[in-house]
Amino acid sequence: GQSLEQPSEVTAVEGAIVQINCTYQTSGFYGLSWYQQHDGGAPTFLSYNALDGLEETGRFSSFLSRSDSYGYLLLQELQMKDSASYFCAVRDQRGSYIPTFGRGTSLIVHP
Amino acid sequence: EAGVTQFPSHSVIEKGQTVTLRCDPISGHDNLYWYRRVMGKEIKFLLHFVKESKQDESGMPNNRFLAERTGGTYSTLKVQPAELEDSGVYFCASSHGTVAYEQYFGPGTRLTVT
Repeated sequence: GQSLEQPSEVTAVEGAIVQINCTYQTSGFYGLSWYQQHDGGAPTFLSYNALDGLEETGRFSSFLSRSDSYGYLLLQELQMKDSASYFCAVRDQRGSYIPTFGRGTSLIVHP
Repeated sequence: EAGVTQFPSHSVIEKGQTVTLRCDPISGHDNLYWYRRVMGKEIKFLLHFVKESKQDESGMPNNRFLAERTGGTYSTLKVQPAELEDSGVYFCASSHGTVAYEQYFGPGTRLTVT
């Protein structure tokens, strides 16, 4: 079967750096996405990694290691507004961009 | 540019009733997806339209769910008759064909079946 594992909750303080890990077991793998969702809001696309390595977009970076079936989202210079749920999602079918989502990690940023 | 919009934002219905959810994707996005999230669980795929055609409906739970996409523009998802387990948040998303992995989600419709 397919499964994605990510921590259910992570807490950190403003200004800190936090890493949210995601491990996956899927029948196929073509890419890993990250989405952010604030309470009651729409999931917002953050990043997509198809190849190994680190992708940086401002304060957020996403990493992928296909050999380890592992990725992470790195958030730097944390701000209160970063408090949200973060979902990793795997694209597991060639020719299809339908993601399989993890259960999400609730990030709580304290002052 | 307007984002993905969904209507209604909330719906409370009784078991056995019918509800129709609507999604307006971003203009020009051929791909339209429906997802559902039951409280505390993962976001699950329901189906995918490319323009007006159903590309993949493998996630539709049963024949009580019917999705349409008229003229390749807006889409509706009808649940008839609704059951208690249908409660959850229904998200719609759209994407452009050339950047299909970047999906834009709507705010969701929170459906409660009592």
